Amino acid sequence: GQQVMQIPQYQHVQEGEDFTTYCNSSTTLSNIQWYKQRPGGHPVFLIQLVKSGEVKKQKRLTFQFGEAKKNSSLHITATQTTDVGTYFCAGRESGGGADGLTFGKGTHLIIQP
Amino acid sequence: EAGVAQSPRYKIIEKRQSVAFWCNPISGHATLYWYQQILGQGPKLLIQFQNNGVVDDSQLPKDRFSAERLKGVDSTLKIQPAKLEDSAVYLCASTLTGQGEKLFFGSGTQLSVL
Repeated sequence: GQQVMQIPQYQHVQEGEDFTTYCNSSTTLSNIQWYKQRPGGHPVFLIQLVKSGEVKKQKRLTFQFGEAKKNSSLHITATQTTDVGTYFCAGRESGGGADGLTFGKGTHLIIQP
Repeated sequence: EAGVAQSPRYKIIEKRQSVAFWCNPISGHATLYWYQQILGQGPKLLIQFQNNGVVDDSQLPKDRFSAERLKGVDSTLKIQPAKLEDSAVYLCASTLTGQGEKLFFGSGTQLSVL
């Protein structure tokens, strides 16, 4: 079945440093979504990418979808303590019948003030 | 707009006991999902409903897990009998049509099996 892998599993940064997490799928995706989960909370939707090579920005966050639609990345510029949490990518397999997302294991972002 | 409601928030049971979780999706949302999130991992889809019909239950351990959404609104997930490895957060999510939109998650039920 479809597998979605994320690296790194953990990332420690100093406040103000940049952060990047990478997502790779074993199969071609129809679209990819990113979610953020704060400690003790539930996943909250950040963004969806659909087109090959798509790049979207949300303030300090930049999301990219690979040309082959099998990988994606999330980059945060100048991290702040409010960015703490786990970032998940979740993909929908291209041509798949059901709508359910396959989530990666997430990247835990830890920020040291 | 009210979010996805789940109860209970926490549940502690002994292995071999049974347990049930309840979810009420956002009003008007046709698609409902149950995810299992083991500590340190991403959510894993257990079952997807479209209205009152099952779309995907390929990853549901059917020997012990069951779920229903009889009237196409709220849903119940049951585990009987529970095993130690079922300790996890059970997340319910919903979408309007199930056609590739974002998921709205509830706060989850944290299950501890002792």
